[in-house]
Amino acid sequence: GAGVSQTPSNKVTEKGKYVELRCDPISGHTALYWYRQSLGQGPEFLIYFQGTGAADDSGLPNDRFFAVRPEGSVSTLKIQRTERGDSAVYLCASSIPPFGELFFGEGSRLTVL
Amino acid sequence: DAKTTQPNSMESNEEEPVHLPCNHSTISGTDYIHWYRQLPSQGPEYVIHGLTSNVNNRMASLAIAEDRKSSTLILHRATLRDAAVYYCILPDYNTDKLIFGTGTRLQVFP
Repeated sequence: GAGVSQTPSNKVTEKGKYVELRCDPISGHTALYWYRQSLGQGPEFLIYFQGTGAADDSGLPNDRFFAVRPEGSVSTLKIQRTERGDSAVYLCASSIPPFGELFFGEGSRLTVL
Repeated sequence: DAKTTQPNSMESNEEEPVHLPCNHSTISGTDYIHWYRQLPSQGPEYVIHGLTSNVNNRMASLAIAEDRKSSTLILHRATLRDAAVYYCILPDYNTDKLIFGTGTRLQVFP
């Protein structure tokens, strides 16, 4: 399809494990955003890429979280030594700035046991 | 980022108009007003945006106060599918980054 694609849709892992979440943005969209959403809350900004570089990573909660976008298209959010508090839906969005509409994927639901 | 204030929840009956308010008293002259909504178990989706003038599209209308300190999203005839959380946001001018609040949860009754 032509929308933002996120994989996996669901991921269950154990505390302390490493997790990767993938985002395929809409073709041609230069901006890519990661958010996470806990139950009953609005999405929380994590990081923003313009092209290959992370232009704003102010939302990453700590150094266990890292994201890359090596070729300016697909992005991977990496979480090391997962904790139960990392359980959430991780959302990816892409756009063509400035003043672009953000297109969101359906999210990856992460559950840390 | 300029902040917005919305009611936590609102209710409507099907086929009635719905007016969702948003206050943004600290808005700057270059801030656009965007609305997104999030249906259950989905990512947010764009609804509408505006700067100064009222705006209409196939989904909704946006009425912006003359002083721009508030705006109202108007759904002309609510349907059951419009039940969602509606977010009023002032995107970052340079990056389009969206900072979400808790939004307004709209319930639509048949």
